[in-house]
Amino acid sequence: AQSVAQPEDQVNVAEGNPLTVKCTYSVSGNPYLFWYVQYPNRGLQFLLKYITGDNLVKGSYGFEAEFNKSQTSFHLKKPSALVSDSALYFCAVREAGSARQLTFGSGTQLTVLP
Amino acid sequence: DGGITQSPKYLFRKEGQNVTLSCEQNLNHDAMYWYRQDPGQGLRLIYYSQIVNDFQKGDIAEGYSVSREKKESFPLTVTSAQKNPTAFYLCASSTEDSRQGTQYFGPGTRLTVL
Repeated sequence: AQSVAQPEDQVNVAEGNPLTVKCTYSVSGNPYLFWYVQYPNRGLQFLLKYITGDNLVKGSYGFEAEFNKSQTSFHLKKPSALVSDSALYFCAVREAGSARQLTFGSGTQLTVLP
Repeated sequence: DGGITQSPKYLFRKEGQNVTLSCEQNLNHDAMYWYRQDPGQGLRLIYYSQIVNDFQKGDIAEGYSVSREKKESFPLTVTSAQKNPTAFYLCASSTEDSRQGTQYFGPGTRLTVL
């Protein structure tokens, strides 16, 4: 079985401060991990993914995420938040080699305050 | 959203009616997906197709039907058997290597049952 948890429904951060959106996962084997962002009434936009290799993954719009196998986490980070980063963020997981499709978290609403 | 189109953007349906949501992609992707999004629940997989003329049920297929007669098109029919169809519907596609491949999303269709 595979699952993903985003423990915070809402994250608020001041503009210019670093931001972190948390994600933990559960799979039997190795994970493929993804982050997406959604603006109101729009589809999801791909930010970054971890398949294998370097634990620090860099993605679009200055975002990065760190894969931590021991903590089964894949937190999304950005050194300096922008008001335009305010959106709904989704983490997703798929177990490598599994026939199961992608499983999404419930989403975290990020609000960057000016 | 580029490369994947969904229509209409908004759809209103009377109870007891079937409606069909359109999804077209020009990315030459083999795999296509339909998700349902409800507030606070993330995305749930309805159906997916990895090749033309073949598709599989996802986690919440009851009350829905699909077809995949062309590589570019994956329409979703919401039937009268779907008890609570009001939701935001998202279509996605990914490359042949759908296990690792990134899913790219369309802009979505918001269905409201009157």
